[in-house]
Amino acid sequence: SQTIHQWPATLVQPVGSPLSLECTVEGTSNPNLYWYRQAAGRGLQLLFYSVGIGQISSEVPQNLSASRPQDRQFILSSKKLLLSDSGFYLCAWSGSGANVLTFGAGSRLTVL
Amino acid sequence: AQSVTQLDSHVSVSEGTPVLLRCNYSSSYSPSLFWYVQHPNKGLQLLLKYTSAATLVKGINGFEAEFKKSETSFHLTKPSAHMSDAAEYFCVVSSFSGSARQLTFGSGTQLTVLP
Repeated sequence: SQTIHQWPATLVQPVGSPLSLECTVEGTSNPNLYWYRQAAGRGLQLLFYSVGIGQISSEVPQNLSASRPQDRQFILSSKKLLLSDSGFYLCAWSGSGANVLTFGAGSRLTVL
Repeated sequence: AQSVTQLDSHVSVSEGTPVLLRCNYSSSYSPSLFWYVQHPNKGLQLLLKYTSAATLVKGINGFEAEFKKSETSFHLTKPSAHMSDAAEYFCVVSSFSGSARQLTFGSGTQLTVLP
């Protein structure tokens, strides 16, 4: 069966420090991968999605970037965190051509 | 263009009573519709989905939803609430069957279940 792992679960970082959140999927190949940010009372905002290795599409301009170095690995990064980067970040995957998402457990980032 | 509106940001019910979470959608095409549930500090889990087959869709944990095209609604119901149903629920619409990138999430409804 397919599983998705996301880490770290919680992270507290100072302003200006770098960020790396990692997501891996097991049990499938060539998944579509997604990073979402969730703000209280505002649903989910799609940040990045990827349909293959090295293929990243950004949905909103921001202080973050994403990379996909391997087929089932998706990384969310920042060189210098801002206070506004605080939030709950969710990684998800779907089959190619499918519209059902499977989510990771999420990573809560607090920038101080 | 597509959009989804969850009509209640908070719903509170007593254990054992029915649950109704309301969702209206707007879509230029025949939509796919979903309900996801999120427990505190967890990822989202798919409850059920509608993709133009039967209009009454049954999901996990006793939940079901009915697609009503004339009312552009996709309300989520459960006959009898359980304490474990307390969570946030998201209604989601997609006008394009082939891409999860096109999903639009509602702002969520927080369900509280009182003992």
